[in-house]
Amino acid sequence: DQQVKQNSPSLSVQEGRISILNCDYTNSMFDYFLWYKKYPAEGPTFLISISSIKDKNEDGRFTVFLNKSAKHLSLHIVPSQPGDSAVYFCAANRRTFGNEKLTFGTGTRLTIIP
Amino acid sequence: GAVVSQHPSWVICKSGTSVKIECRSLDFQATTMFWYRQFPKQSLMLMATSNEGSKATYEQGVEKDKFLINHASLTLSTLTVTSAHPEDSSFYICSARETRGYGYTFGSGTRLTVV
Repeated sequence: DQQVKQNSPSLSVQEGRISILNCDYTNSMFDYFLWYKKYPAEGPTFLISISSIKDKNEDGRFTVFLNKSAKHLSLHIVPSQPGDSAVYFCAANRRTFGNEKLTFGTGTRLTIIP
Repeated sequence: GAVVSQHPSWVICKSGTSVKIECRSLDFQATTMFWYRQFPKQSLMLMATSNEGSKATYEQGVEKDKFLINHASLTLSTLTVTSAHPEDSSFYICSARETRGYGYTFGSGTRLTVV
C-alpha cells in the first residue's frame, strides 16, 4: 500500500524555467510533509518541509504548496539550475500523533537541461 | 548543520557472512535513528526504528534476527546484516532524528553487495 505517491518518475525542465514536482498521499492522518533531494549512492538531503496547518512554505528558490482537501503537495523550484538535477522524494509523517516514521514517495528524477 | 556519518560507504561480502554498518550523529544527540533500504529505482523503505537504550521496532516483513540493530548511545546506531545472502544486496541508509527540532538527517548510505 503506497501511501505517498509520486506519479511522475521523471521530469525534464529547461534551465531557468520552473520545475514542478508533484506528490499525492492517501493517509489523511499525515500532518507533516518534507521534500528531499538525492544523488545516486548518497543519502537524501533535506530541502523544505511544511506542516498541515499551512498551505505554503517558501525557502529561496524552493516553495512547497499543500492542498489538504486534495491530499496533494507540490515542490516548485524557480529558477531551475543544472545542479538541481537529482531524484526528489516527498515524505510524510504523523508528527502530532508522536509517530516519527517517515513514509517516502517513489521519487521523481529531475533533469535540468542547460 | 547536523551531520550523520555512515560507514562503510560500500562493502562486498561473501554469502553467509555478517556485515556491520555504523551510523553516527557527529554534532548532535539522536535519541531515535531509522534504518532504510532502497532497491534500484525504488523508494526508501523503512526497516526499523531504533531508540537509544531500548530494542528496535521493526517494520512488518523485516526479519529482526537477520537485521540486528543496536543503539547503545545517543550518537551511534549499528545495523548488522547476519548470514547475508545475495538478495540482501541493496543500498542501506540511516537517518537520525534530532532531539531538538523536527529535523531528520540522513547518512550517505552503504552499498552492500553479497556475492
